[in-house]
Amino acid sequence: DAGVIQSPRHEVTEMGQEVTLRCKPISGHDYLFWYRQTMMRGLELLIYFNNNVPIDDSGMPEDRFSAKMPNASFSTLKIQPSEPRDSAVYFCASSPTMGYTNEKLFFGSGTQLSVL
Amino acid sequence: AQKVTQAQTEISVVEKEDVTLDCVYETRDTTYYLFWYKQPPSGELVFLIRRNSFDEQNEISGRYSWNFQKSTSSFNFTITASQVVDSAVYFCALSGNNAGNMLTFGGGTRLMVKP
Repeated sequence: DAGVIQSPRHEVTEMGQEVTLRCKPISGHDYLFWYRQTMMRGLELLIYFNNNVPIDDSGMPEDRFSAKMPNASFSTLKIQPSEPRDSAVYFCASSPTMGYTNEKLFFGSGTQLSVL
Repeated sequence: AQKVTQAQTEISVVEKEDVTLDCVYETRDTTYYLFWYKQPPSGELVFLIRRNSFDEQNEISGRYSWNFQKSTSSFNFTITASQVVDSAVYFCALSGNNAGNMLTFGGGTRLMVKP
């Protein structure tokens, strides 16, 4: 398996522009997570899906952020309009459901976002 | 609410020294899982270990070992005979049984191993 695939790896944009980050989870995984990593706040969960349904979006910073999972193999995180404080590394992760245990997360390589 | 605290933000050691990274957690869940991830300079997050709350046995994997103490809510990670390649940021994380597989991460400890 190719692992969790994120695109683009790097994104540089200007303030006010729309940014779309993409994620392809590992086939068969029914959980998908979006995390953001910054120096100030560390790794913080933005939103997660189970079977394509958003379960917890309490970490989404504001209405400028939205996430979708139209099918089991694709998710997007959109920022509109983007601001310099959105600059961070955005990670997508997926995990399977295995009985009653909590499984590890498999992370993508991340998208380094710079908003100028 | 769940919380993971890694009090050591940065540790510097000389190669071949042993080093312990501390992790303290808070949760109200009776069943939970603890994890360690490594983030090398390349940036990806690499899974190291998962432990459930009912298994307090210490675990050893090569130069890595983990000490889980439920009484003190700690899950510490020791690297024996550290090597330069161990230089990375290490994250401790917690997953409660009522939150799917969602992970709450600590702030991370940056380990620098000097030759």
